[in-house]
Amino acid sequence: GAVVSQHPSRVICKSGTSVKIECRSLDFQATTMFWYRQFPKQSLMLMATSNEGSKATYEQGVEKDKFLINHASLTLSTLTVTSAHPEDSSFYICSGGDTHTDTQYFGPGTRLTVL
Amino acid sequence: KQEVTQIPAALSVPEGENLVLNCSFTDSAIYNLQWFRQDPGKGLTSLLLIQSSQREQTSGRLNASLDKSSGRSTLYIAASQPGDSATYLCAGRNSGNTPLVFGKGTRLSVIA
Repeated sequence: GAVVSQHPSRVICKSGTSVKIECRSLDFQATTMFWYRQFPKQSLMLMATSNEGSKATYEQGVEKDKFLINHASLTLSTLTVTSAHPEDSSFYICSGGDTHTDTQYFGPGTRLTVL
Repeated sequence: KQEVTQIPAALSVPEGENLVLNCSFTDSAIYNLQWFRQDPGKGLTSLLLIQSSQREQTSGRLNASLDKSSGRSTLYIAASQPGDSATYLCAGRNSGNTPLVFGKGTRLSVIA
């Protein structure tokens, strides 16, 4: 199946710093990518929908100024957690849709720990 | 808005048993439904995808069914093995380019 990569896989940062997470579709073009967040022992919760060349659509309760999303190409979307705080510590997972197979492919996730 | 529920939250079975994981969804206009496996601290592995026009899909020891009228899907695992121990997530979506809505998962432990 198609492959989605995420970088970095793990990041530890100090409170107040910004962290950028990259999500790439390696062998297909993803017009739309989705960003999810998963807290310990919880399920995945959608944060935002990222469309290539346009502004992201955020779910209720997700601060767009804190979680900056850029989808500049059909194979790359980035999520920047600005001024990170300990409560932002979570597992962030992206997915991209392959319209040919109508399947969502997920990246391996990024574990963010804010000290 | 689609809501997905999974029961039980946790399940422990002896090796070799056949088992069924349950998933229910609120909107019968579901477009497709996927079952995933997630190992602790890891990402998602897609197991099976069922389109709305299909009733079931099979892969090896796994069989997933979809009943739109009742809002239910099941994942059947035959002859369970300790390596099947993981959290199984069910997720559905209502159109081709909308996000998946996830259930909270069933944490499966297969005891040798």
